[in-house]
Amino acid sequence: SAVISQKPSRDICQRGTSLTIQCQVDSQVTMMFWYRQQPGQSLTLIATANQGSEATYESGFVIDKFPISRPNLTFSTLTVSNMSPEDSSIYLCSVDTGYGYTFGSGTRLTVV
Amino acid sequence: ELKVEQNPLFLSMQEGKNYTIYCNYSTTSDRLYWYRQDPGKSLESLFVLLSNGAVKQEGRLMASLDTKARLSTLHITAAVHDLSATYFCAVEWGAQKLVFGQGTRLTINP
Repeated sequence: SAVISQKPSRDICQRGTSLTIQCQVDSQVTMMFWYRQQPGQSLTLIATANQGSEATYESGFVIDKFPISRPNLTFSTLTVSNMSPEDSSIYLCSVDTGYGYTFGSGTRLTVV
Repeated sequence: ELKVEQNPLFLSMQEGKNYTIYCNYSTTSDRLYWYRQDPGKSLESLFVLLSNGAVKQEGRLMASLDTKARLSTLHITAAVHDLSATYFCAVEWGAQKLVFGQGTRLTINP
């Protein structure tokens, strides 16, 4: 199955700044998915990223706040923009391996 | 909109006991996934259930899917401390969208 390298693993950021999270997959995949897991909560899908087209955002998430890039079939980035303490969460990328969904190791973001 | 509900949300049990976690979902789907998450870690895939009546077992864990009842169960047999974690079910809906349950935080005491 696919192996995902996600970085950074954690960061502490000042409010008002932005953080870009990267995910690299060891094989080509059509779609990559970005999730948020707020403290003590379940996972919520932020957006789906296709190579060569704009990402599709779920209700409650907007491109200005969470811009996504997908420059090729093995790589994607998620930026958390103009951060506030409410953005403190774990962010995870995921891909469909054909045998299920594999998740990256996650980025634990704390906004102070 | 698909809703996925797990119960219980918290479960504390003794080693050696059996228990079942339930995952109910509101809309027809033929694909259901179970994941394990340890504190501070990512999600580890446990089971992929792709059809009605599917049953899969790995060690002390067994998962089943009843698509007609929109219900999946994760059964733990003779629990051991190493199984302490949070368990999530996730249902695939629409175009490769996963909707997760709230998670069941399982604590197994010696």
